[in-house]
Amino acid sequence: GAGVSQSPRYKVAKRGQDVALRCDPISGHVSLFWYQQALGQGPEFLTYFQNEAQLDKSGLPSDRFFAERPEGSVSTLKIQRTQQEDSAVYLCASTTGFNQPQHFGDGTRLSIL
Amino acid sequence: KNEVEQSPQNLTAQEGEFITINCSYSVGISALHWLQQHPGGGIVSLFMLSSGKKKHGRLIATINIQEKHSSLHITASHPRDSAVYICAVIQGAQKLVFGQGTRLTINP
Repeated sequence: GAGVSQSPRYKVAKRGQDVALRCDPISGHVSLFWYQQALGQGPEFLTYFQNEAQLDKSGLPSDRFFAERPEGSVSTLKIQRTQQEDSAVYLCASTTGFNQPQHFGDGTRLSIL
Repeated sequence: KNEVEQSPQNLTAQEGEFITINCSYSVGISALHWLQQHPGGGIVSLFMLSSGKKKHGRLIATINIQEKHSSLHITASHPRDSAVYICAVIQGAQKLVFGQGTRLTINP
């Protein structure tokens, strides 16, 4: 498809497990963003890539969170030793560049038991 | 205090009513998004604007940079407009800072 694709759509994990969430941006989109949305709240910024470079990771809540985009296309958000407070929808967005509209994926709903 | 505040948080109206959702922000921005989020998570960008007014179908968005305020209006509202509407401002290079969203329900 032509949109931003995220997988899996839903993920259930036990506390302490590691999880990996994938984002396939729109082809040719230079910038990629990860956001975290807790239930009933607006999304919050986690990290931002321009091509393969991670330019801003100020929103990552702890060193258990790690994101990469090694070839400047697909990105993976990894959460190690998951905690219950990590339960949220993780949204990925991509854009062609500065001050352009961001296109969002449908998100991955992560539930930590 | 959040950097982006929306009001109201919840809004219920009858089909056909004129809807207004407000957004105020306290930081310098380069542009502002209005987003629509349906149950299940998918977010769609409705507008991105940095000045004046934009219109798309029954939707109108306005922004007053001096007053740091934006409004989203829906004319002739319809039950399919029921969704969460989110205001988000672009800070710095491209980072979005979001409001908490307004849950809109349009009853037939």
